[in-house]
Amino acid sequence: SQTIHQWPATLVQPVGSPLSLECTVEGTSNPNLYWYRQAAGRGLQLLFYSVGIGQISSEVPQNLSASRPQDRQFILSSKKLLLSDSGFYLCAWSVGYGVPYEQYFGPGTRLTVT
Amino acid sequence: DAKTTQPPSMDCAEGRAANLPCNHSTISGNEYVYWYRQIHSQGPQYIIHGLKNNETNEMASLIITEDRKSSTLILPHATLRDTAVYYCIVRVAHNTDKLIFGTGTRLQVFP
Repeated sequence: SQTIHQWPATLVQPVGSPLSLECTVEGTSNPNLYWYRQAAGRGLQLLFYSVGIGQISSEVPQNLSASRPQDRQFILSSKKLLLSDSGFYLCAWSVGYGVPYEQYFGPGTRLTVT
Repeated sequence: DAKTTQPPSMDCAEGRAANLPCNHSTISGNEYVYWYRQIHSQGPQYIIHGLKNNETNEMASLIITEDRKSSTLILPHATLRDTAVYYCIVRVAHNTDKLIFGTGTRLQVFP
């Protein structure tokens, strides 16, 4: 069966510091991968998605970036965090074929920027 | 993607059926209805999806009206662990299509 991992589970970072969040998927090949953010009391906002290694699409321009160095690894980064980057970051995956494409979410990383 | 309308909150007694409604009056012919739920401080969990026909799986049943303008998610025997925010999402099934989560329905199951 497929599993998705995210780490760390929680993170407290000062403003201006760098960020690196990692997501890995097991049990599937060539998945589509997604990064979402959920601000407190708000809905989910799609940040990035990827259909393959090195292929990244950005949904919202901001100081975050994403990379996919391996088929089942997705990384979210920032060079300098802002207070507004605080939130619950979720990685998700879906199969890259067949209809329909339900997405499966990881446990999330709760980021607090101080 | 079509928009959905859900009641902000509902209560349900443990062991009873929870019926969560969703209106999607502008749904297009090629759009599916998806349901997810999010338990506090966890990632969203996929529940079920459907296009036209009613669907059932080990978690829930999905009833879609004949005109497809509304649907109901049914949890047949609600437990305390079903307390969560339930999201109804309508979208075209595309491999990179983002999920647009609204505010959902906060279901509180009480003993």
